[in-house]
Amino acid sequence: DAGVIQSPRHEVTEMGQEVTLRCKPISGHNSLFWYRQTMMRGLELLIYFNNNVPIDDSGMPEDRFSAKMPNASFSTLKIQPSEPRDSAVYFCASRLGQNQETQYFGPGTRLLVL
Amino acid sequence: SQQGEEDPQALSIQEGENATMNCSYKTSINNLQWYRQNSGRGLVHLILIRSNEREKHSGRLRVTLDTSKKSSSLLITASRAADTASYFCATAPTGTASKLTFGTGTRLQVTL
Repeated sequence: DAGVIQSPRHEVTEMGQEVTLRCKPISGHNSLFWYRQTMMRGLELLIYFNNNVPIDDSGMPEDRFSAKMPNASFSTLKIQPSEPRDSAVYFCASRLGQNQETQYFGPGTRLLVL
Repeated sequence: SQQGEEDPQALSIQEGENATMNCSYKTSINNLQWYRQNSGRGLVHLILIRSNEREKHSGRLRVTLDTSKKSSSLLITASRAADTASYFCATAPTGTASKLTFGTGTRLQVTL
């Protein structure tokens, strides 16, 4: 299995631009999580989906952030417009099912907003 | 604020020594997990201990859980240079088993 796949691995953009991060979970996994990691705030859960349905988006910082999961094999996290404080590493993780506790993380997308 | 706080923030030991990391949390939990993160990589699950368990082993890893003190410890025995990484505890609060809250992490450096 290829594991969780994220793209791009690195993204540099200018303030105000739209940024789209992509994630392909492990095949057969029913839950998907988006996290953000910064030195100041550590690892924060932004949103998670069960069976493609958003369950909890309370961690999404503000309306500039949106996430979708149109099907079981693909999810996007969009930031529009981006700001320098959005600079962070964004991780996607997937889990086999709601009753499974272990999460499998992707390699992350390192985002720098200038 | 972080649910889990790891202690120490950084730890440097020599190969062959044991490394102990501690985690404290605030609310009642369903389970507690430990993850490892190598530099520039995603997190990798190491071990899970449930709220009704007190100790668990996996290879060179030993995890303890004290729910009365809301704390856990991770012991890595006979450390190797390859163990160099950041280690995070993650808690699944009671009633919200899907949402893991990660601690601040301990950076472990194992030198030859």
